[in-house]
Amino acid sequence: GAGVSQSPSNKVTEKGKDVELRCDPISGHTALYWYRQSLGQGLEFLIYFQGNSAPDKSGLPSDRFSAERTGGSVSTLTIQRTQQEDSAVYLCASSWAGAQPQHFGDGTRLSIL
Amino acid sequence: DAKTTQPTSMDCAEGRAANLPCNHSTISGNEYVYWYRQIHSQGPQYIIHGLKNNETNEMASLIITEDRKSSTLILPHATLRDTAVYYCIVRGVDGSARQLTFGSGTQLTVLP
Repeated sequence: GAGVSQSPSNKVTEKGKDVELRCDPISGHTALYWYRQSLGQGLEFLIYFQGNSAPDKSGLPSDRFSAERTGGSVSTLTIQRTQQEDSAVYLCASSWAGAQPQHFGDGTRLSIL
Repeated sequence: DAKTTQPTSMDCAEGRAANLPCNHSTISGNEYVYWYRQIHSQGPQYIIHGLKNNETNEMASLIITEDRKSSTLILPHATLRDTAVYYCIVRGVDGSARQLTFGSGTQLTVLP
């Protein structure tokens, strides 16, 4: 498809388990962002990838969160030892470059039991 | 990035134009005005952006005042599917504030 694709669309897991969330950006987009959005809240920036530069990890809330982007395309956000406060919608966005409009996927709704 | 002020909510009749205002009185010369919207249970959707000239695309028109302190997003023929929260943000042309920060936005409800 032409848009940003995220999988899975929904994930329910038990506290303490690890989860991996996947993002397929729009082809050719060099910038990729991860955000999370709690119910009724605004966007919380997590991490930003731009080309081959070192990622901006300044928004990651703890060392349980990590992300990688392989081959400048697909990205995976990993949350280790999940906690209930990690429950949120995790959104991925991509753009041609850092200053260009960001295009979002529909997110992964993560629920920690 | 400069802050923006938007009405909390607006209604619009289906088929009529929806005009959504935004104040950004502290905008600086190198900041764009961007509009996004978020339909329930979906990710935010980019609509349009502009620097100082009016802009139009297949989704909407953006009217920016001459002093750039306010703008209006126009959906020319609103449909029920346009019901969403609309966010106006300003962002530096150099993308220095790379991450997006949404305010409270305007809840637009299109009425049949």
